[in-house]
Amino acid sequence: DAGVIQSPRHEVTEMGQEVTLRCKPISGHNSLFWYRQTMMRGLELLIYFNNNVPIDDSGMPEDRFSAKMPNASFSTLKIQPSEPRDSAVYFCASSLGRDRILSTEAFFGQGTRLTVV
Amino acid sequence: QKEVEQNSGPLSVPEGAIASLNCTYSDRGSQSFFWYRQYSGKSPELIMFIYSNGDKEDGRFTAQLNKASQYVSLLIRDSQPSDSATYLCAAEMNRDDKIIFGKGTRLHILP
Repeated sequence: DAGVIQSPRHEVTEMGQEVTLRCKPISGHNSLFWYRQTMMRGLELLIYFNNNVPIDDSGMPEDRFSAKMPNASFSTLKIQPSEPRDSAVYFCASSLGRDRILSTEAFFGQGTRLTVV
Repeated sequence: QKEVEQNSGPLSVPEGAIASLNCTYSDRGSQSFFWYRQYSGKSPELIMFIYSNGDKEDGRFTAQLNKASQYVSLLIRDSQPSDSATYLCAAEMNRDDKIIFGKGTRLHILP
Protein backbone atom coordinates (compact mmCIF):
# COMPACT_ATOMS: atom_id res chain seq x y z
CA ASP A 1 0.00 0.00 0.00
CA ALA A 2 1.22 3.50 -0.84
CA GLY A 3 0.24 4.88 2.53
CA VAL A 4 -1.92 7.92 3.14
CA ILE A 5 -1.86 10.18 0.11
CA GLN A 6 -2.49 13.89 0.36
CA SER A 7 -2.72 16.51 -2.34
CA PRO A 8 -1.53 19.06 -3.05
CA ARG A 9 1.79 19.03 -1.19
CA HIS A 10 2.01 22.79 -1.28
CA GLU A 11 -0.68 25.41 -1.80
CA VAL A 12 -0.26 29.15 -1.97
CA THR A 13 -3.44 31.14 -2.27
CA GLU A 14 -4.73 34.64 -1.80
CA MET A 15 -6.87 35.64 1.14
CA GLY A 16 -10.54 35.09 0.40
CA GLN A 17 -10.02 32.21 -2.00
CA GLU A 18 -11.42 28.73 -1.50
CA VAL A 19 -8.92 25.99 -0.69
CA THR A 20 -9.59 22.27 -0.95
CA LEU A 21 -7.23 19.71 0.51
CA ARG A 22 -7.55 16.05 -0.43
CA CYS A 23 -6.76 12.79 1.27
CA LYS A 24 -6.79 9.12 0.31
CA PRO A 25 -6.52 6.93 3.43
CA ILE A 26 -4.88 3.52 3.58
CA SER A 27 -7.18 0.88 2.16
CA GLY A 28 -9.05 -0.95 4.90
CA HIS A 29 -8.62 1.76 7.50
CA ASN A 30 -11.92 2.92 8.92
CA SER A 31 -10.83 5.97 10.90
CA LEU A 32 -9.64 9.19 9.31
CA PHE A 33 -8.27 12.26 11.02
CA TRP A 34 -7.52 15.80 9.82
CA TYR A 35 -4.88 17.64 11.85
CA ARG A 36 -3.41 21.12 11.55
CA GLN A 37 0.14 21.83 12.72
CA THR A 38 1.62 25.20 13.60
CA MET A 39 4.59 26.19 15.72
CA MET A 40 2.38 27.92 18.26
CA ARG A 41 -0.37 25.35 18.67
CA GLY A 42 1.32 22.10 17.73
CA LEU A 43 -0.69 19.30 16.11
CA GLU A 44 -4.39 20.04 16.56
CA LEU A 45 -7.15 17.58 15.69
CA LEU A 46 -9.70 19.30 13.46
CA ILE A 47 -12.14 16.49 12.69
CA TYR A 48 -12.36 12.73 13.00
CA PHE A 49 -14.35 10.29 10.84
CA ASN A 50 -15.20 6.69 11.58
CA ASN A 51 -16.65 4.56 8.78
CA ASN A 52 -17.07 7.76 6.71
CA VAL A 53 -19.20 9.41 9.40
CA PRO A 54 -17.96 12.57 11.15
CA ILE A 55 -17.71 11.66 14.83
CA ASP A 56 -16.15 14.78 16.33
CA ASP A 57 -15.68 18.13 14.59
CA SER A 58 -15.16 20.17 17.75
CA GLY A 59 -11.66 21.07 16.60
CA MET A 60 -12.83 22.79 13.43
CA PRO A 61 -11.91 26.42 14.13
CA GLU A 62 -14.95 28.07 12.57
CA ASP A 63 -17.62 27.77 9.91
CA ARG A 64 -15.13 28.59 7.18
CA PHE A 65 -13.82 25.05 7.59
CA SER A 66 -15.72 22.01 6.36
CA ALA A 67 -14.80 18.38 5.77
CA LYS A 68 -16.42 15.54 3.92
CA MET A 69 -15.81 11.85 3.46
CA PRO A 70 -18.08 10.68 0.64
CA ASN A 71 -16.59 7.18 0.61
CA ALA A 72 -14.01 5.05 2.39
CA SER A 73 -11.20 6.06 0.05
CA PHE A 74 -11.51 9.84 -0.12
CA SER A 75 -11.86 12.86 2.12
CA THR A 76 -11.65 16.61 1.61
CA LEU A 77 -11.03 19.55 3.90
CA LYS A 78 -12.26 22.86 2.54
CA ILE A 79 -11.57 26.38 3.72
CA GLN A 80 -13.82 29.09 2.32
CA PRO A 81 -12.89 31.91 2.48
CA SER A 82 -9.26 31.41 3.44
CA GLU A 83 -7.40 33.82 5.73
CA PRO A 84 -3.68 34.34 6.42
CA ARG A 85 -4.06 32.80 9.90
CA ASP A 86 -5.05 29.53 8.23
CA SER A 87 -1.46 29.14 7.03
CA ALA A 88 -0.19 25.84 8.47
CA VAL A 89 0.64 22.28 7.55
CA TYR A 90 -2.48 20.16 7.29
CA PHE A 91 -2.07 16.43 7.87
CA CYS A 92 -4.47 13.65 7.10
CA ALA A 93 -4.05 10.39 9.02
CA SER A 94 -5.85 7.07 8.99
CA SER A 95 -6.03 4.10 11.31
CA LEU A 96 -7.79 0.78 11.72
CA GLY A 97 -9.72 2.37 14.56
CA ARG A 98 -10.41 0.24 17.56
CA ASP A 99 -9.01 -3.26 17.21
CA ARG A 100 -11.82 -4.69 19.35
CA ILE A 101 -10.76 -2.91 22.52
CA LEU A 102 -7.72 -0.76 21.92
CA SER A 103 -7.09 1.99 19.41
CA THR A 104 -4.52 1.37 16.72
CA GLU A 105 -1.87 3.77 15.53
CA ALA A 106 -2.54 6.57 13.09
CA PHE A 107 -0.52 6.66 9.86
CA PHE A 108 0.14 10.12 8.49
CA GLY A 109 0.22 11.48 4.99
CA GLN A 110 3.01 13.80 3.88
CA GLY A 111 0.93 16.87 4.64
CA THR A 112 -0.16 19.92 2.71
CA ARG A 113 1.70 23.13 3.45
CA LEU A 114 -0.85 25.92 3.03
CA THR A 115 0.19 29.54 2.73
CA VAL A 116 -2.50 32.19 2.54
CA VAL A 117 -1.19 35.61 1.49
CA GLN B 1 -6.53 21.74 31.08
CA LYS B 2 -4.85 20.56 27.89
CA GLU B 3 -5.52 16.91 27.19
CA VAL B 4 -1.93 15.86 26.48
CA GLU B 5 0.96 17.91 27.83
CA GLN B 6 4.65 17.81 27.07
CA ASN B 7 7.61 20.04 27.83
CA SER B 8 8.44 21.79 24.56
CA GLY B 9 12.20 21.74 25.18
CA PRO B 10 14.62 21.88 23.56
CA LEU B 11 16.13 18.99 25.45
CA SER B 12 19.85 18.66 24.77
CA VAL B 13 21.51 15.32 25.47
CA PRO B 14 25.10 14.26 24.76
CA GLU B 15 25.60 11.52 22.20
CA GLY B 16 25.58 8.10 23.86
CA ALA B 17 23.57 9.25 26.88
CA ILE B 18 19.95 8.41 27.77
CA ALA B 19 17.29 10.86 26.62
CA SER B 20 14.15 10.96 28.76
CA LEU B 21 10.94 12.42 27.37
CA ASN B 22 7.81 12.88 29.47
CA CYS B 23 4.11 13.34 28.87
CA THR B 24 0.97 13.65 31.01
CA TYR B 25 -2.64 13.17 29.95
CA SER B 26 -5.95 14.29 31.39
CA ASP B 27 -8.43 11.59 30.31
CA ARG B 28 -8.16 8.92 32.98
CA GLY B 29 -10.09 6.49 30.79
CA SER B 30 -7.56 6.58 27.93
CA GLN B 31 -6.06 3.20 27.20
CA SER B 32 -3.81 3.61 24.16
CA PHE B 33 -0.71 5.78 24.09
CA PHE B 34 1.69 6.49 21.26
CA TRP B 35 5.09 8.09 20.75
CA TYR B 36 5.76 9.61 17.35
CA ARG B 37 8.96 11.11 15.98
CA GLN B 38 8.84 14.03 13.57
CA TYR B 39 11.83 15.31 11.66
CA SER B 40 11.72 18.92 10.47
CA GLY B 41 9.54 19.24 7.39
CA LYS B 42 8.36 15.63 7.58
CA SER B 43 5.24 13.89 8.84
CA PRO B 44 5.04 12.16 12.23
CA GLU B 45 6.02 8.50 12.28
CA LEU B 46 5.23 6.00 15.02
CA ILE B 47 8.06 4.85 17.27
CA MET B 48 6.17 2.93 19.93
CA PHE B 49 2.75 2.34 21.39
CA ILE B 50 1.90 1.16 24.90
CA TYR B 51 -1.32 -0.01 26.45
CA SER B 52 -0.34 -1.66 29.75
CA ASN B 53 1.18 -0.23 32.91
CA GLY B 54 4.90 -0.71 33.14
CA ASP B 55 7.71 -0.75 30.61
CA LYS B 56 7.81 -1.77 26.99
CA GLU B 57 11.16 -2.08 25.25
CA ASP B 58 11.97 -2.01 21.54
CA GLY B 59 15.64 -1.77 20.68
CA ARG B 60 17.05 1.46 22.09
CA PHE B 61 13.58 2.73 22.98
CA THR B 62 11.61 2.08 26.17
CA ALA B 63 8.11 3.39 26.75
CA GLN B 64 6.80 3.61 30.29
CA LEU B 65 3.17 3.98 31.35
CA ASN B 66 1.80 4.81 34.77
CA LYS B 67 -1.98 5.05 34.57
CA ALA B 68 -2.39 5.97 38.24
CA SER B 69 -0.26 9.06 37.70
CA GLN B 70 -1.51 9.57 34.11
CA TYR B 71 2.06 9.69 32.94
CA VAL B 72 3.83 8.32 29.88
CA SER B 73 7.53 8.51 29.14
CA LEU B 74 9.98 7.53 26.43
CA LEU B 75 13.60 6.65 27.09
CA ILE B 76 16.13 6.58 24.29
CA ARG B 77 19.33 4.73 25.19
CA ASP B 78 22.68 5.33 23.47
CA SER B 79 21.35 8.53 21.88
CA GLN B 80 22.51 9.20 18.33
CA PRO B 81 22.59 12.48 16.37
CA SER B 82 19.95 10.94 14.10
CA ASP B 83 17.60 10.89 17.10
CA SER B 84 17.46 14.70 16.97
CA ALA B 85 13.81 15.43 16.18
CA THR B 86 10.54 16.46 17.78
CA TYR B 87 8.87 13.70 19.78
CA LEU B 88 5.10 13.75 19.98
CA CYS B 89 3.12 11.98 22.67
CA ALA B 90 -0.43 10.95 21.76
CA ALA B 91 -3.33 9.48 23.70
CA GLU B 92 -6.55 7.91 22.54
CA MET B 93 -9.44 9.67 24.23
CA ASN B 94 -11.60 7.04 25.86
CA ARG B 95 -14.91 8.69 25.20
CA ASP B 96 -14.73 8.71 21.41
CA ASP B 97 -11.51 7.06 20.18
CA LYS B 98 -9.98 10.22 18.78
CA ILE B 99 -6.21 10.49 19.04
CA ILE B 100 -4.94 13.70 20.63
CA PHE B 101 -1.34 14.87 20.43
CA GLY B 102 0.82 16.91 22.74
CA LYS B 103 2.76 19.85 21.29
CA GLY B 104 5.93 17.80 21.20
CA THR B 105 9.38 17.96 22.76
CA ARG B 106 12.34 19.02 20.62
CA LEU B 107 15.29 16.74 21.27
CA HIS B 108 18.82 17.70 20.26
CA ILE B 109 21.59 15.12 20.52
CA LEU B 110 24.96 16.79 20.90
CA PRO B 111 27.76 15.04 18.94
